[in-house]
Amino acid sequence: RKEVEQDPGPFNVPEGATVAFNCTYSNSASQSFFWYRQDCRKEPKLLMSVYSSGNEDGRFTAQLNRASQYISLLIRDSKLSDSATYLCVVDNYNQGGKLIFGQGTELSVKP
Amino acid sequence: DTGVSQDPRHKITKRGQNVTFRCDPISEHNRLYWYRQTLGQGPEFLTYFQNEAQLEKSRLLSDRFSAERPKGSFSTLEIQRTEQGDSAMYLCASDRSTNEKLFFGSGTQLSVL
Repeated sequence: RKEVEQDPGPFNVPEGATVAFNCTYSNSASQSFFWYRQDCRKEPKLLMSVYSSGNEDGRFTAQLNRASQYISLLIRDSKLSDSATYLCVVDNYNQGGKLIFGQGTELSVKP
Repeated sequence: DTGVSQDPRHKITKRGQNVTFRCDPISEHNRLYWYRQTLGQGPEFLTYFQNEAQLEKSRLLSDRFSAERPKGSFSTLEIQRTEQGDSAMYLCASDRSTNEKLFFGSGTQLSVL
């Protein structure tokens, strides 16, 4: 089983749509959770951290379910500029703390 | 520019040659990471340093790969006797500590012919 698994993509949605990405992780000791965004041929950049209580940043909402070891990202009112690959990232807390990346889910927002 | 910088941006080499990449992290960051990314996959962890100490090396990394961070600042990643399967984007990243935002460099794209 992969340490971090994401929905297979790509997701093709029209502008204005709401889209949700799911992610599961295998290490129950993990403490830190993130969503990163990666544009084509660019480096990954932090989109948002994910907190136990859930958190929102504008059109983006992240949720964490520790019991199920599940993380989600919801994008509302999607824009053309949201087109990118979204990477679920989890720390390997009891094995050095390094960040483990999922394979990424590609999102394409169409006019 | 005070971000993470990597050099070179692109490297084309013939199979069997050795290559070396350099990464300069953000100056106050004491942790430095190397990741490898192939098309359609997320970044795959290779190794990381806290200051000059190499704390972990991925089991997936063969003995042909070696990384150093001699003075706790810049780091080098060397691949000896390159193989076509080594073709990938090699990403360097740095942060100050656990739970901090990870900053990536633009990467070095390696093509082994």
